[in-house]
Amino acid sequence: GQQVQQSPASLVLQEGENAELQCNFSTSLNSMQWFYQRPGGSLVSLFYNPSGTKHSGRLTSTTVIKERRSSLHISSSQTTDSGTYLCALANNYAQGLTFGLGTRVSVFP
Amino acid sequence: EAAVTQSPRNKVAVTGGKVTLSCNQTNNHNNMYWYRQDTGHGLRLIHYSYGAGSTEKGDIPDGYKASRPSQENFSLILELATPSQTSVYFCASGDVRANSDYTFGSGTRLLVI
Repeated sequence: GQQVQQSPASLVLQEGENAELQCNFSTSLNSMQWFYQRPGGSLVSLFYNPSGTKHSGRLTSTTVIKERRSSLHISSSQTTDSGTYLCALANNYAQGLTFGLGTRVSVFP
Repeated sequence: EAAVTQSPRNKVAVTGGKVTLSCNQTNNHNNMYWYRQDTGHGLRLIHYSYGAGSTEKGDIPDGYKASRPSQENFSLILELATPSQTSVYFCASGDVRANSDYTFGSGTRLLVI
């Protein structure tokens, strides 16, 4: 089965600092997505990014298929960025996603 | 506003009892999913569905059944609950025609005692 590894497991930032979160996967993929999980539980989709670079506000996602990795860059972090960031892969999107364990980000003022 | 709604939000069940977790979506998505989330394991897929009347086994289906009576509703059923099924359960809906459109519910915290 697919293996999805995220690093680091946790990250502590001072407000304004940048951060780079990594996701490495062991097999080929058809779908690659980043989610944000709020403290307390619900998940929100940030990016669908099977290849290349995508931007959304202060977030940038870059996926390099040949190297089997994806990254999520947070620029000028804010306290509201605190939470867990999850990457997820699928060979067949209709059959569900395989998630990494996540990176827990804590941003302090 | 399109959404995925789970009920109940919290549930305490006794070992051996029957538990039904419900999920309703207003996204008009064909695909629906049930995951559980546990420390050290992350989110794992239990069952999924391609549409009304369809239920398929995910990665960890043992001890669980699913039911999809309509486009909007997808239930997860624990016929004989066990303490190992204590977890947080998430329902999601997705549209394979628009891969970025993947919506999660707020989760159900289940404690089996």
